[in-house]
Amino acid sequence: NAGVTQTPKFRILKIGQSMTLQCTQDMNHNYMYWYRQDPGMGLKLIYYSVGAGITDKGEVPNGYNVSRSTTEDFPLRLELAAPSQTSVYFCASSYGRVYEQYFGPGTRLTVT
Amino acid sequence: GQQLNQSPQSMFIQEGEDVSMNCTSSSIFNTWLWYKQDPGEGPVLLIALYKAGELTSNGRLTAQFGITRKDSFLNISASIPSDVGIYFCAGHQGGSEKLVFGKGTKLTVNP
Repeated sequence: NAGVTQTPKFRILKIGQSMTLQCTQDMNHNYMYWYRQDPGMGLKLIYYSVGAGITDKGEVPNGYNVSRSTTEDFPLRLELAAPSQTSVYFCASSYGRVYEQYFGPGTRLTVT
Repeated sequence: GQQLNQSPQSMFIQEGEDVSMNCTSSSIFNTWLWYKQDPGEGPVLLIALYKAGELTSNGRLTAQFGITRKDSFLNISASIPSDVGIYFCAGHQGGSEKLVFGKGTKLTVNP
């Protein structure tokens, strides 16, 4: 099993560009999450999903969008990238138990 | 929003020393978790605690769920260089679909 995979690992965007961060899990988990991690600030929840077709906002959703058309995939869309979105983005998933989350390796995004 | 206060922010220790860190909140949590993040990687779950007063070990790691349900502690005994990383506490409240994370304790172990 690959677990939670994220692509790309690194990306540099210019201000105003858009991109999609991909997240896929092969564990048949129903819960999926997107976090951002800024230095010294821990993990902040952007969006989450409790199953295919169901998404909800987390703590810092502004500037992002998500969709969940399948159990496996949970892409995060950045529209009109801004320097404040420079961060490391982690996708996570869990099955039934919200708290036992498995994290992907992260995507390091720089917006200049 | 909810906050978990994790301390210390960073620790510099010698190999072989024991380490203690803690996490406190003004709110009650039903589950406490401890994650470790290696440099350049995503967090990995170390220990999950489900009952007030519970003491759970995972190798050299021991964690406790505070009896007030507002705090948790993690101890690492006889530290080794591969213990280096950031340790996060996280809490879960019943009925919530989300975890609340602390800001992390960065551990450096000098050989």
